[in-house]
Amino acid sequence: GNSVTQMEGPVTLSEEAFLTINCTYTATGYPSLFWYVQYPGEGLQLLLKATKADDKGSNKGFEATYRKETTSFHLEKGSVQVSDSAVYFCALSDLGSGTYKYIFGTGTRLKVLA
Amino acid sequence: GAGVSQSPSNKVTEKGKDVELRCDPISGHTALYWYRQSLGQGLEFLIYFQGNSAPDKSGLPSDRFSAERTGGSVSTLTIQRTQQEDSAVYLCASSRQGGPQETQYFGPGTRLLVL
Repeated sequence: GNSVTQMEGPVTLSEEAFLTINCTYTATGYPSLFWYVQYPGEGLQLLLKATKADDKGSNKGFEATYRKETTSFHLEKGSVQVSDSAVYFCALSDLGSGTYKYIFGTGTRLKVLA
Repeated sequence: GAGVSQSPSNKVTEKGKDVELRCDPISGHTALYWYRQSLGQGLEFLIYFQGNSAPDKSGLPSDRFSAERTGGSVSTLTIQRTQQEDSAVYLCASSRQGGPQETQYFGPGTRLLVL
């Protein structure tokens, strides 16, 4: 079945450091891929998405490129801020289900220190 | 416009009691999803509505769980005879039509604690 694998956290970085959170997937076909962020005490918010191979999603300085050859969608940011501290979830839309429900990774907690 | 809203935000109940969780999707969104977020299981799909119909109930963990949607809008998730393992955050999401490229918009969740 379809699945999403994220790197284990927590990830702790100093402010202005470079961030990479790895995400790989197993899927039938070419699903849409998403990164959601959950700030402390808040709900899930879409960070960025890509709907086809080689697409790059970007938002708030974060980027991720849909790589079908490596089945990956790694999240990157060149310079993190304390306000980026949150849990990040990688997800795909399940084409096989017919309902396009999301399949999520386990989440990666990011802590940015001043 | 308003986002997805859920109520209550927190619910504490005793084992064996029934609970109802409510979701108000974004106006005009025909697709509605329920997910559960728990420490041991991560984020998992429960049920999908298209309009008032539920063509995918595959994620409901037992027959104690049921859901309905009325008027193509509000949805209620009901858990009967709650168990401690039902403790989790229940999330509702909606999307415009439920297509494969669509963004799902999530509510703030209902945190359920079963004592």
